[in-house]
Amino acid sequence: GAVVSQHPSRVICKSGTSVKIECRSLDFQATTMFWYRQFPKQSLMLMATSNEGSKATYEQGVEKDKFLINHASLTLSTLTVTSAHPEDSSFYICSAINRGRGRSSYEQYFGPGTRLTVT
Amino acid sequence: GQQLNQSPQSMFIQEGEDVSMNCTSSSIFNTWLWYKQDPGEGPVLLIALYKAGELTSNGRLTAQFGITRKDSFLNISASIPSDVGIYFCAGRTNAGGTSYGKLTFGQGTILTVHP
Repeated sequence: GAVVSQHPSRVICKSGTSVKIECRSLDFQATTMFWYRQFPKQSLMLMATSNEGSKATYEQGVEKDKFLINHASLTLSTLTVTSAHPEDSSFYICSAINRGRGRSSYEQYFGPGTRLTVT
Repeated sequence: GQQLNQSPQSMFIQEGEDVSMNCTSSSIFNTWLWYKQDPGEGPVLLIALYKAGELTSNGRLTAQFGITRKDSFLNISASIPSDVGIYFCAGRTNAGGTSYGKLTFGQGTILTVHP
């Protein structure tokens, strides 16, 4: 199946600093990637849709100036958490759509997630 | 917005037992998906359903797309310890434009299997 990687897997930063998380599709081109946030024992909450070569589409209530998304290539999207605060501590997961052949290739394949802790 | 109600929230079963979980929605979805998430990992796609009434199997897993397009169930037969994890249903309306591919997730079912 399609492989999506994230880097770093874990990051600890101080309050007020910025953190960048990378999401890569390793064996396919992803014109669309998604960024989710998941709090402990909760479901995935979609933050934004990232389209290659265009601005990201943010979900209601997600601050676009705080969560900067860049999808500069067909295999890479980045999420930058700016001026991080302890309440931003969460599990951030990206996914990518593989628009290859077959119905299942249009499904979202998820990265392994990034655990962000803001102290 | 769209919401999916997934039940049960958690299950504690003995190894070898069968498991059933389901999702219902007040609105129609064109695609139903079932994912499994292990602790500290991203969700992994188990089964995708594209047609109302469709019944699909993947090994010991069987899922069905409800005929009304507002529900889906997942069955796991003869459970084993490695089935432990959180199972999520997800629905998609296949809307176009900026909404393309967006998923709505259920709350998850936490499965514990006792050896």
